[in-house]
Amino acid sequence: QVQLVQSGAEVKKPGASVKVSCKASGYTFASYNINWVRQASGQGLEWMGWMNPYSGNTGFAQEFQGRVTMTRNTSIMTAYMELSSLRSEDTAVYYCARQWLQTYDTWGQGTLVTVSS
Amino acid sequence: DIQMTQSPSSLSASVGDRVTISCRASQSISSYLNWYHQKPGKAPKLLIYSASTLHTGVPSRFSGSGSGTDFILTISSLQPEDFATYYCQQSYTTPRTFGGGTKVEI
Repeated sequence: QVQLVQSGAEVKKPGASVKVSCKASGYTFASYNINWVRQASGQGLEWMGWMNPYSGNTGFAQEFQGRVTMTRNTSIMTAYMELSSLRSEDTAVYYCARQWLQTYDTWGQGTLVTVSS
Repeated sequence: DIQMTQSPSSLSASVGDRVTISCRASQSISSYLNWYHQKPGKAPKLLIYSASTLHTGVPSRFSGSGSGTDFILTISSLQPEDFATYYCQQSYTTPRTFGGGTKVEI
């Protein structure tokens, strides 16, 4: 079945970077964009950006421009999201999601990133 | 950016109740509106896309309506597994934006 499996929880210090992986299975990885969405504890969903696994093209929310990188390794069907210059406000659960038509039909289980000194 | 406003932010209901949740966009988004629900500690799940199309496997007690700026999610007869937080999301343009969520609780 279609599945996205993310890497485990991370604890980072302010100013550091974090790289979260999202491994796809059960479908043709290159055929569907991967989007990233984050959720701070008790808060709503915040869209971060998208990546086309075939071309590598990306698009980001203005808030994350210059701080986020989205890449992929098609040979292992894995997408990555790296966020730099971390601050406490970046503490959140980060989700990858497969974009089907204009929706997100499959989500990863989420990766908790904690930023703390 | 397009702002998505949901109401109410929370509601109390009982099993068997009919529940409606509203979502309003700050500008017209045609029918580019999706609904998700999320249970604590879990990822969101797609319920409805294009304002009114039920995603595969979603029970028929869920329905969506609306176009332009005003949208409604209806649960015709609330079931125990429906207690969750519901989010609308516009897919008309980037940045994709979500509503603030509606928590449906007992």
